[in-house]
This record gives sequence, structure tokens and C-alpha cells, in this order.
Amino acid sequence: DAGVTQSPTHLIKTRGQQVTLRCSPKSGHDTVSWYQQALGQGPQFIFQYYEEEERQRGNFPDRFSGHQFPNYSSELNVNALLLGDSALYLCASRLFGGSQETQYFGPGTRLLVL
Amino acid sequence: AQRVTQPEKLLSVFKGAPVELKCNYSYSGSPELFWYVQYSRQRLQLLLRHISRESIKGFTADLNKGETSFHLKKPFAQEEDSAMYYCALIYSGAGSYQLTFGKGTKLSVIP
Repeated sequence: DAGVTQSPTHLIKTRGQQVTLRCSPKSGHDTVSWYQQALGQGPQFIFQYYEEEERQRGNFPDRFSGHQFPNYSSELNVNALLLGDSALYLCASRLFGGSQETQYFGPGTRLLVL
Repeated sequence: AQRVTQPEKLLSVFKGAPVELKCNYSYSGSPELFWYVQYSRQRLQLLLRHISRESIKGFTADLNKGETSFHLKKPFAQEEDSAMYYCALIYSGAGSYQLTFGKGTKLSVIP
């Protein structure tokens, strides 16, 4: 089991463009959360998906949207990119109802907006 | 609103010296706190949680509700402890599972 995987590893976009990041959860996990980690900051919660629905959302604008597929994988979409969206985007998966120890993080996708 | 504060961006200690990474929190509910660690070129991973009251890799952390602190301690630092450490608080309720992280402290253990 490769654990949580994310693609791509790196991405460069320009302002105004749209981007899609992908996450495959650890085998057996059904819940996916996304975090944004700006340089020098801790991860900030974007949203969480379970049963293909957004269950929780952090303080992020509607430009940030997501999706979860029947196989539990997830996508994070960001529209109308801003320079400030440059960050490491982390995906974390867990089993719904499981303890905190069951949450695993992926390696992240580093997004640079020029 | 919940908040986690890690006052030190960088902490340097000599090998064998004691280590204390500070974490303070603000949260109106009953908190559940964690320490996460990220070693160089590795992904973020859970180090320990206050509920389990365990010692991992020689690290311990005690929740002090009076001082709203959850400092991470180790009596004798090792070179392999060099990493980024993040304190995190869980915002729970109605099945939510939102982790709030501090900005992190980079621990550098000098040989």
C-alpha cells in the first residue's frame, strides 16, 4: 500500500487559470481532507469529503471546490488563480469514525502561480 | 475561534540537551491536541496525541488546561530529531474533523 498519493507533484500556472489536483486515499480509507500550506505556515484546512459530499469547509472562498469519486479518490479545483494561491496542497485520508491515528497525509502538490 | 500558537520558528539545541517545543492554544470547547512532525523530504505524520498520554521516540506532551498549553518535551535530544514540528488542535463536533495547525517550529539538533 503506497499510502496517500497525490498528483502532480509540482505545477506552475499563471494568474486567472484554473487547476485540478488529485488525491488517492490510503487503502481502506473513505474520507479525504484537503489542506493548504503556504511557505512558513502550518497547514490550513480547506474542506473534507465523505460519501462524495463536502462535509466540512474551512475559511476558503468558493474558488476552491472539490469532488469525491465513488472509489473515494478526490480532486481539488481552484479557479481564477491568484498569486497568493501558491502553496503546498496536502491531502489527508482517514476512515470515517476512526480515531485521529488513522489520518494519513500525502506528500503534497506544490503549486506555483506566476 | 480556535487558534494554535507556536512562539518559536526555530529552536537549536545541542545533542543530549533537553528539548521543549512550546504550544499554546485557544479554544472554547474541550480540546484535543496533537503534535505532528515532518522530517526532511518526508510527509507530515502524527507524533503523539494528548489523549493517549504516550511517549513516542522519547517525546512527551502534557495538556495544561489552566495555562492552555501543550508543550512537547524530550530529555535528551538526538540528531535524528531535527525536523519541523507542528502543534494541532482538533475542532470537533457533529462529526467534524477539522485540524487547526500552528505555524510550526523547526528543531535543529547540533551534533
